[in-house]
Amino acid sequence: AQRVTQPEKLLSVFKGAPVELKCNYSYSGSPELFWYVQYSRQRLQLLLRHISRESIKGFTADLNKGETSFHLKKPFAQEEDSAMYYCALGGTYKYIFGTGTRLKVLA
Amino acid sequence: NAGVMQNPRHLVRRRGQEARLRCSPMKGHSHVYWYRQLPEEGLKFMVYLQKENIIDESGMPKERFSAEFPKEGPSILRIQQVVRGDSAAYFCASSPQDGSYEQYFGPGTRLTVT
Repeated sequence: AQRVTQPEKLLSVFKGAPVELKCNYSYSGSPELFWYVQYSRQRLQLLLRHISRESIKGFTADLNKGETSFHLKKPFAQEEDSAMYYCALGGTYKYIFGTGTRLKVLA
Repeated sequence: NAGVMQNPRHLVRRRGQEARLRCSPMKGHSHVYWYRQLPEEGLKFMVYLQKENIIDESGMPKERFSAEFPKEGPSILRIQQVVRGDSAAYFCASSPQDGSYEQYFGPGTRLTVT
């Protein structure tokens, strides 16, 4: 079955500390993976997709097919990174979302 | 480009009433997707439409829910005879092609059934 798991509902870190938001997936084909972010009172917006291998706002994510993971990382958290983060599995039009992780960056 | 528009942003309905949620895709986008987010859950796919066609409605509840995307005008998600369990955030997304490209999301409609 296709599934996305984000094991942490809430992650609190101090400003300047490293951040890792975990995402594991289950998919039989060739996955397309995305990270979406939702800042307070704003719409969901694309942060990263594994195909582009970009770094956006200092965030990176590497697809590890052996561990079926797509963890989101940032070396130094900033207060403006506080938001809900959703990992999503594509591959077809039917995106499958994880339950999200709320990141709180403390001053 | 104003982005994906959804209205209303908040909708309150009494049990048994009908709810109509509207979604205007981004300019140039002809593919629309509806997702539902129940409290404490992730977004769940409901339906995928192209102009005048329902491509995949496998995520739609079998009864009371319907969706359309007419040749002119917004896409509409219609929920008849709402029940408390329909209370959720409903998100619309659009894309210029199918899921090979990223989906652009609207701000969502929060439906509350009293």
